[in-house]
Amino acid sequence: NAGVTQTPKFRVLKTGQSMTLLCAQDMNHEYMYWYRQDPGMGLRLIHYSVGEGTTAKGEVPDGYNVSRLKKQNFLLGLESAAPSQTSVYFCASRLGTSNQPQHFGDGTRLSIL
Amino acid sequence: QQPVQSPQAVILREGEDAVINCSSSKALYSVHWYRQKHGEAPVFLMILLKGGEQKGHEKISASFNEKKQQSSLYLTASQLSYSGTYFCGTEQGAQKLVFGQGTRLTINP
Repeated sequence: NAGVTQTPKFRVLKTGQSMTLLCAQDMNHEYMYWYRQDPGMGLRLIHYSVGEGTTAKGEVPDGYNVSRLKKQNFLLGLESAAPSQTSVYFCASRLGTSNQPQHFGDGTRLSIL
Repeated sequence: QQPVQSPQAVILREGEDAVINCSSSKALYSVHWYRQKHGEAPVFLMILLKGGEQKGHEKISASFNEKKQQSSLYLTASQLSYSGTYFCGTEQGAQKLVFGQGTRLTINP
């Protein structure tokens, strides 16, 4: 049972390049989330999804797009990377009710030069 | 909307107690607590639902005051393994968790 798997684990991009981060979960969870973590800022919600085919904006959605074409996958896209998007990105999933915990992936460390 | 945690950092000797607080200006459905070690993913500790309940996990417990929109995490007789950054996540509706900025806990021998 792999849980939540993020791909890739590390990536270096140049300003203006695009890329997609993949999050896959094998727990049949309804809800999935993308967070970014910067020093002293905690975990900030970028986008989230409450089911296949649905997405919604979080606290810091600008510069990112997401898609949830399959229940088990949640993709985060950067169309034109900027140095301000240098961060550690965490994906999380949970079953779908208030009394269920979120399970986090190991994170993707992204640097934009 | 981001909950406020206090203190921002705590340094303890092994065996001492600590309290970490989490406050929100919005009505809460639930409060989640997580611990993160350096370079690792956050790990779930416990969830508190509306109703003012208090939960415990060995020497770590928490309370939730629904009327004040506050939660507190209590670490009793701290161990070296308790070191890390603690985050509260508040559910304000719409199926999403909003996290505080974190409290860094350092336990020294």
